[in-house]
Amino acid sequence: GENVEQHPSTLSVQEGDSAVIKCTYSDSASNYFPWYKQELGKGPQLIIDIRSNVGEKKDQRIAVTLNKTAKHFSLHITETQPEDSAVYFCAARGSYIPTFGRGTSLIVHP
Amino acid sequence: IAGITQAPTSQILAAGRRMTLRCTQDMRHNAMYWYRQDLGLGLRLIHYSNTAGTTGKGEVPDGYSVSRANTDDFPLTLASAVPSQTSVYFCASSDSITAGGFSEAFFGQGTRLTVV
Repeated sequence: GENVEQHPSTLSVQEGDSAVIKCTYSDSASNYFPWYKQELGKGPQLIIDIRSNVGEKKDQRIAVTLNKTAKHFSLHITETQPEDSAVYFCAARGSYIPTFGRGTSLIVHP
Repeated sequence: IAGITQAPTSQILAAGRRMTLRCTQDMRHNAMYWYRQDLGLGLRLIHYSNTAGTTGKGEVPDGYSVSRANTDDFPLTLASAVPSQTSVYFCASSDSITAGGFSEAFFGQGTRLTVV
């Protein structure tokens, strides 16, 4: 089955800095890569996703890049704000069910 | 629009007791999932259902059972709870479970279960 590795497990940045979270996956058949944000006490919510036929996607301050050859994808957050503090999960989906990484706790210090 | 609703929000349960966590969605999604979330382990799939009437085992199915009698409901049952089942449980749903489907998974708010 699919195996998704996510790094780092914790990321601490100053407000205004950029944050990068990286994931690797094992199943070359995976073709959909969503990123979820989980705020304290809530369920994860989709923030951005990318399909296998696209190398990069941007939405305001967040962007995701995908390298299918190397089987890794990354989330980039620019100009971080305190409200970006949360746990972020990457996922990879191939044959049927999305497999999640273990999560990154992002802390943005004012 | 309610989306996906879980009940209860939290529960303290004595070991050995039976417990059913409820999950209902109003989005007419055909696929539904149950995950457990433990610190440092992320989201691990317990069971899933790709359509009403069918279910399948995920990564950590032991000690849990599910049923999918209709499209909207996907209850998770712990037949005889043990302390290792202390966790936060999330139900989720999505439009498609097929390889060609690019669909977002929507999550409920979670059920925090403590088995003592």
